[in-house]
Amino acid sequence: SQTIHQWPATLVQPVGSPLSLECTVEGTSNPNLYWYRQAAGRGLQLLFYSVGIGQISSEVPQNLSASRPQDRQFILSSKKLLLSDSGFYLCAWSVLRQGRLANYGYTFGSGTRLTVV
Amino acid sequence: EDQVTQSPEALRLQEGESSSLNCSYTVSGLRGLFWYRQDPGKGPEFLFTLYSAGEEKEKERLKATLTKKESFLHITAPKPEDSATYLCAVLRDSNYQLIWGAGTKLIIKP
Repeated sequence: SQTIHQWPATLVQPVGSPLSLECTVEGTSNPNLYWYRQAAGRGLQLLFYSVGIGQISSEVPQNLSASRPQDRQFILSSKKLLLSDSGFYLCAWSVLRQGRLANYGYTFGSGTRLTVV
Repeated sequence: EDQVTQSPEALRLQEGESSSLNCSYTVSGLRGLFWYRQDPGKGPEFLFTLYSAGEEKEKERLKATLTKKESFLHITAPKPEDSATYLCAVLRDSNYQLIWGAGTKLIIKP
């Protein structure tokens, strides 16, 4: 069965410090991978998505970057955190079946609550 | 511009009081509409996918319906454990990305 692991669950970091959040997927190959941010009481904002190793598309210009060093590993990074980077970060994956998004859409990790102080 | 709007933003119901959540969309080439449930501090969990107008899906106390402009998530005789934020998303034909609504926070009081 497919599973997605995302860590850490919570993180408190000072302004100006670096960030690294990791997400790994098991039980599937060549998934599409996504990083989302969710502000309190708000919808999901797509930050990055990847359709393959080393292929990253950025949706929102910001202080963050993403990398995909392995097929099922997706990393969200920052060199210097800002207060505005605080939020709930979600990793997700999806697969295509015969050129069509699988009917369960995206599968999400459990999220990381980041607080920048 | 592709857009998904959910209403109301929040809904408070008494246990057993049935109601509906709305998801209206404007998107070219709809390829699917998805409903998710999100509990506080957790990632969204998949509920339903609807592909064409007139389609309906049911799961326990929830039923999702789809028209050409909107989808409804009907909740019948809700229980406190149905309290969550319900998210709607649509898939457009140009890529495989979902466009998300802001969600409806549902609170069921015992």
